[in-house]
Amino acid sequence: GAVVSQHPSWVICKSGTSVKIECRSLDFQATTMFWYRQFPKQSLMLMATSNEGSKATYEQGVEKDKFLINHASLTLSTLTVTSAHPEDSSFYICSASTGLSQPQHFGDGTRLSIL
Amino acid sequence: GQQLNQSPQSMFIQEGEDVSMNCTSSSIFNTWLWYKQEPGEGPVLLIALYKAGELTSNGRLTAQFGITRKDSFLNISASIPSDVGIYFCAGQQVSGAGSYQLTFGKGTKLSVIP
Repeated sequence: GAVVSQHPSWVICKSGTSVKIECRSLDFQATTMFWYRQFPKQSLMLMATSNEGSKATYEQGVEKDKFLINHASLTLSTLTVTSAHPEDSSFYICSASTGLSQPQHFGDGTRLSIL
Repeated sequence: GQQLNQSPQSMFIQEGEDVSMNCTSSSIFNTWLWYKQEPGEGPVLLIALYKAGELTSNGRLTAQFGITRKDSFLNISASIPSDVGIYFCAGQQVSGAGSYQLTFGKGTKLSVIP
């Protein structure tokens, strides 16, 4: 149980394009999902908390207009990196928990490379 | 912001040896979690600790939630080559917005020499 699927696993695109990443909870409903960013050899940094049916809560320093989050259903959250540039290249990982105080389970991540 | 101090940063051990790593914090956490991450993948939950003083095992892994709620350790006994990876501790707290957020340590990179 508690499987989180993330898609795509790897994407390469040109500078200036927008990229959408999907995060799905396959066998449970997730009122809250989380989006992280991880640079090579570093830990996970929380970008935003995605709340079903309402606006995401962004961490300090994360541009809301750059990283658009939509959580339209209890099993799907999307992160759109708008007008991506090379500095946006990173490993993006989502997570979800089965309940308010339960551990977060992570997707397999999306490797984003902007040329 | 909150920080978790995780040590050691990396370890090279011989297959069969025991491993110990720990995390400390200046903040109190409701829950301590230990994850393992392999290259190109997301973290996988190993052990979750919910009560101060709790000692929990998962196969060859044992973790404890410190009495002060500010620290935790993870032990791996009789290491094998597939234990290779990066191990992260994470503390969980209720955020100002009411959701449960994780604060991660910087990770311990484990290398096992066959």
